[in-house]
Amino acid sequence: DAKTTQPNSMESNEEEPVHLPCNHSTISGTDYIHWYRQLPSQGPEYVIHGLTSNVNNRMASLAIAEDRKSSTLILHRATLRDAAVYYCILRDVGDDKIIFGKGTRLHILP
Amino acid sequence: GAGVSQSPSNKVTEKGKDVELRCDPISGHTALYWYRQSLGQGLEFLIYFQGNSAPDKSGLPSDRFSAERTGGSVSTLTIQRTQQEDSAVYLCASSVLAGGTDTQYFGPGTRLTVL
Repeated sequence: DAKTTQPNSMESNEEEPVHLPCNHSTISGTDYIHWYRQLPSQGPEYVIHGLTSNVNNRMASLAIAEDRKSSTLILHRATLRDAAVYYCILRDVGDDKIIFGKGTRLHILP
Repeated sequence: GAGVSQSPSNKVTEKGKDVELRCDPISGHTALYWYRQSLGQGLEFLIYFQGNSAPDKSGLPSDRFSAERTGGSVSTLTIQRTQQEDSAVYLCASSVLAGGTDTQYFGPGTRLTVL
């Protein structure tokens, strides 16, 4: 898996949007960008993934830079339940195991 | 439908004893993974099963660790002669291909404490 760089921690206010950045300057053309999150005392949970185009689902949006060297996970309206560690991961086609980095610990302020 | 389940949820054992951890993947998922997470640390890959292929054991930390997957479904992770450094949360995940890559679904984990 190629390397990603994320801030160690971020804070956001409840009910406001959150933008979680991820840098992946060595991304290859076949690397997918995946985001998982881990809530306290739970296993990781899939959030979203994309290849080149921006993606939206019920949980979040993924904005991918045109050069693909960075991406941003967007939570449109943060709730206290969104407090978690968010992992940005690159996975090539055919990659099996996930190599988790340290992620970004997101704190939500009420 | 049901997600990935793991049992037991908590296991306390004495140093030197053997333990078995169980994982029931999501029905129909061909791939199954074991990871572990030590206190305050990131997730560490242990082993991967895909269909009937030979498992990828590259993440197992020592020969005290082994895993099997019977009938392409349930998996058991066995740790022999447990040591205190084996204390961690052991997580199982299963997956299915979706759009050229797989999405892994994790169980709640088994918290292992070796005294």
